[in-house]
Amino acid sequence: EVQLVESGGGLVKPGGSLRLSCVASGFTFTSHSMHWVRQAPGKGLEWVSSASIFGTYTYYADSVKGRFTISRDNAKNSVYLQMNGLRDEDTAVYFCARAIGTGWFGSWGQGTLVNVSS
Amino acid sequence: NFMLTQPHSVSESPGKTITISCTRSSGSIAANFVHWYQQRPGSAPTAVIYEHSKLPSGVPDRFSGSIDTSSNSASLTISGLKTEDEADYYCQSYAVTNTVIFGGGTKLTVL
Repeated sequence: EVQLVESGGGLVKPGGSLRLSCVASGFTFTSHSMHWVRQAPGKGLEWVSSASIFGTYTYYADSVKGRFTISRDNAKNSVYLQMNGLRDEDTAVYFCARAIGTGWFGSWGQGTLVNVSS
Repeated sequence: NFMLTQPHSVSESPGKTITISCTRSSGSIAANFVHWYQQRPGSAPTAVIYEHSKLPSGVPDRFSGSIDTSSNSASLTISGLKTEDEADYYCQSYAVTNTVIFGGGTKLTVL
């Protein structure tokens, strides 16, 4: 069974940092690019970042570029999102997702809540 | 980058058929595959259509997808509506910059 389990969310003050983790199981981790997608309270889905299978190529939404860094550790079947310079508008549930084939998200984690508030 | 525009909400009665549109603002809808997700309240999204019209394993064939180049849009159609289909639906595609684009989402009410 494919599983993606996120952790690391919590309450942080504006300007602060958090590191999210996503541990994968049930599939060959090195066969898939991995993504982070977020959803602000009551809002739609917003893609945040992706990492290619060896982490060589990383991509970011303009809204987080320069503040967030995605990385992966294939030995630990894990993908991370280092979030620095957090802003109120970064408050959201952050989902980890596995991309399949042409880039559709075939598996999602349950999400971890990041609350940026003073 | 382009935008994907969806209706904010749609509603229909059980047993009927509903179609949700996803219109691409620039560039051809056929240039990149469109995928669709269902998200029930409090849950993670799950894919219901991928690559315009393919069904992931386990998704009932009441769900179907298509694209229309004349209107530059993709559509998700759900037939034989059930109350369990009530959810938010999102379309998704890729930009040439390898960034992912989501539509704003459509709230489906089955009443």
